[in-house]
Amino acid sequence: GQQVMQIPQYQHVQEGEDFTTYCNSSTTLSNIQWYKQRPGGHPVFLIQLVKSGEVKKQKRLTFQFGEAKKNSSLHITATQTTDVGTYFCARPGGYNKLIFGAGTRLAVHP
Amino acid sequence: DAGVTQSPTHLIKTRGQQVTLRCSPKSGHDTVSWYQQALGQGPQFIFQYYEEEERQRGNFPDRFSGHQFPNYSSELNVNALLLGDSALYLCASSPRDSGQFFGPGTRLTVL
Repeated sequence: GQQVMQIPQYQHVQEGEDFTTYCNSSTTLSNIQWYKQRPGGHPVFLIQLVKSGEVKKQKRLTFQFGEAKKNSSLHITATQTTDVGTYFCARPGGYNKLIFGAGTRLAVHP
Repeated sequence: DAGVTQSPTHLIKTRGQQVTLRCSPKSGHDTVSWYQQALGQGPQFIFQYYEEEERQRGNFPDRFSGHQFPNYSSELNVNALLLGDSALYLCASSPRDSGQFFGPGTRLTVL
């Protein structure tokens, strides 16, 4: 199946700054999922987006699914040190198989 | 309610050896998927088990095999270990059409 491309690969921010990671696919997606993996930890499911143009919020996190269902973004407002980790988007690959992007590693400097 | 559990947490093997990793899915989940995550990369799908059958497989050689038991728990077996098999092996369980719940993983080091 087609991979999903994530940018940037790394992002360093000062605490309080905003952060955005982008996920792009060459094909239309039925849904997109986002996961967070803390250093030394395992991926933790954040959200699934299904509808074209969908926007969902979880506290300081805002997730968007593009109108064409080919791209998605995760935006964090006013980052905190607890936001540190790698954020992955993942597309479905049949049944419950997931195809992950390479991830965006976020570092937050206090 | 326990989440996904995996054992062991860490394992060191030498080239050519065989390894078995174990996973118990979250209560109520009948589908188990295995992923390999190399350092600095995203998880790569190995295979998925449902109703004790391998339902889908990623691009991994036959050295990687698995099993699912009637209680939905699962094993991942890797034969003839190579240095490149060193990675974090993640088990994930899920209900249908939803996000997956990952276990803490097994860190395999092949020397």
